[in-house]
Amino acid sequence: DIQLTQSPSFLSASVGDRVTITCRASQGISTYVTWYQQKPGKAPKLLIYAASTLQNGVPPRFSGSGSGAEFSLTISGLQPEDFATYYCQHLNSYPPSLTFGGGTKVEIK
Amino acid sequence: QVQLVESGGGVVQPGGSLRLSCAASGFTFSNSGMHWVRQSPGKGLEWVAFIRSDGSSRFYEDSVRGRFTISRDNFKDTLYLHMNSLRTEDTAVYYCAMIPYGDPDYWGQGTLVTVSS
Repeated sequence: DIQLTQSPSFLSASVGDRVTITCRASQGISTYVTWYQQKPGKAPKLLIYAASTLQNGVPPRFSGSGSGAEFSLTISGLQPEDFATYYCQHLNSYPPSLTFGGGTKVEIK
Repeated sequence: QVQLVESGGGVVQPGGSLRLSCAASGFTFSNSGMHWVRQSPGKGLEWVAFIRSDGSSRFYEDSVRGRFTISRDNFKDTLYLHMNSLRTEDTAVYYCAMIPYGDPDYWGQGTLVTVSS
């Protein structure tokens, strides 16, 4: 099974900072990575799919990149509403299943 | 617009059973494979099960295989998760999700299952 390792698991940053979260796969997975934002008590919110495609309505300060086994999510100019936990995800083709990274909690410095 | 609405969560004793439902709208449910994903309190996201669009194949995470059954009714546009022999470690928010390859995915708001004596 493919494993996804996110780093860091915790990040302390200030409003206006540029932050980058990394997601490493245990083997090459092309560009099949999705990024989510989750706030307490809420369902995950889709930010980026297919590694770099911004979901409709998501602010352009969010961007995704990568292919193969290394992917990143960058927030350019952190806003107060961006303090949340972020997850990467891969959809395995067979057997059909989902693999999630362990999450990165972004907190206010 | 796509909507997924879960229901059926609650408090159940260890060893008990529960059936979750997920009502789908805004897309052609019968053409879409569907997932259940859970999140234990304070923990990350964990995939639980998947069912193909026509119900012909089902796949499970190891810890729930043999205890949980995913099913669907394409006439009612509804996904189910039948949970038997529940354990305290099954306590979580359960989400249904439609996650296609290379396209945006959709999640419900979740339903809380608490397994406690």
